[in-house]
Amino acid sequence: DAGVTQSPTHLIKTRGQQVTLRCSPKSGHDTVSWYQQALGQGPQFIFQYYEEEERQRGNFPDRFSGHQFPNYSSELNVNALLLGDSALYLCASSLPRDRGRVGKNIQYFGAGTRLSVL
Amino acid sequence: EDQVTQSPEALRLQEGESSSLNCSYTVSGLRGLFWYRQDPGKGPEFLFTLYSAGEEKEKERLKATLTKKESFLHITAPKPEDSATYLCAVQTGKLIFGQGTTLQVKP
Repeated sequence: DAGVTQSPTHLIKTRGQQVTLRCSPKSGHDTVSWYQQALGQGPQFIFQYYEEEERQRGNFPDRFSGHQFPNYSSELNVNALLLGDSALYLCASSLPRDRGRVGKNIQYFGAGTRLSVL
Repeated sequence: EDQVTQSPEALRLQEGESSSLNCSYTVSGLRGLFWYRQDPGKGPEFLFTLYSAGEEKEKERLKATLTKKESFLHITAPKPEDSATYLCAVQTGKLIFGQGTTLQVKP
């Protein structure tokens, strides 16, 4: 059973460019969350997708956008890249929501995409 | 504002020297507390989840405990392969992470 897979592994871009990162969730999972992890810091929540819609969003500007496809895979898009966007971008997936038991959705992470902005 | 603080930031232990990592949190509407292990260049690996004060979970040399304001990750007789960054996160509809504790265990 494949876990969460992310592509590409590494990416180098220049300021002002746009980038798209991809994520395939763990088999059976339908919820995908994206995180940004700067060096030496904990992951910061960007947004979460469920049923092809953005359900929650962290404190990130509109330059960060996403999409979820019918097969539950997801993309993270970042426009007008800044030097400060250099980080490890993590995707996490979780089981279908059990609305009667909140808080039971363990998130499983992929290996991440290392983005360097020059 | 929801906040998670981990201490210490870094910890060096000799093999077999037991210790504890701390995770303090200030959140409204806690839905669960999670511990992850992260190796360099990799994504976080799930270890434990705790939902109510007094709950404890164990896995090999690791034991996680939860109170109303903090959680501890106890490491008993650690080995060099336990060296990693340990992340604590609270779920309030989304996961809020602490900055992590980087553990180095020397043989």
